[in-house]
Amino acid sequence: GAGVSQSPSNKVTEKGKDVELRCDPISGHTALYWYRQSLGQGLEFLIYFQGNSAPDKSGLPSDRFSAERTGGSVSTLTIQRTQQEDSAVYLCASSLTGPTNEKLFFGSGTQLSVL
Amino acid sequence: QKEVEQDPGPLSVPEGAIVSLNCTYSNSAFQYFMWYRQYSRKGPELLMYTYSSGNKEDGRFTAQVDKSSKYISLFIRDSQPSDSATYLCAMKNNAGNMLTFGGGTRLMVKP
Repeated sequence: GAGVSQSPSNKVTEKGKDVELRCDPISGHTALYWYRQSLGQGLEFLIYFQGNSAPDKSGLPSDRFSAERTGGSVSTLTIQRTQQEDSAVYLCASSLTGPTNEKLFFGSGTQLSVL
Repeated sequence: QKEVEQDPGPLSVPEGAIVSLNCTYSNSAFQYFMWYRQYSRKGPELLMYTYSSGNKEDGRFTAQVDKSSKYISLFIRDSQPSDSATYLCAMKNNAGNMLTFGGGTRLMVKP
């Protein structure tokens, strides 16, 4: 596709349920990032993938959060036993080569609401 | 205290005005400085990118970095209603994998 695609665009779930968010990066981009944006807050880094491996998971807020990337392309972010404080916009970004290439292309995000 | 501080606004200006957006930061290791524009319900898009100190101009946009003061600015000349968006500053050091973002400034340009 032409840009970074994320699905679903909106997700409403009940507290305690698991959710899975999907990201399709730009074709050929080796680096993929997940960020979280809470209302009125800046973007908070969650995890970085280079290919299928995740050399930096330092931003994941708890062990309820996990992510994987397969085939050097699609990534899924899974949140288990969701809590109300998990409500935020989850943004995925990709770049051509990695952290030395500062041009990140962002998707439109998944708005997650935990009731 | 946050590593990157940015006035949330909103900043309201008339069409044609010069807009000044600013961020301060505390981490002297930051070397790469960026400005992103984010429209409602969209992801951020990169506007300007600067390495180390200095100025960079691109059309109506000028980015300035003053590392001695730990202060960066984005100027928008001849502002247009289509410039109405949230502007996020972001920065990175040489070794890091992630960008550190400010909270964003909401700009409204009124016709």
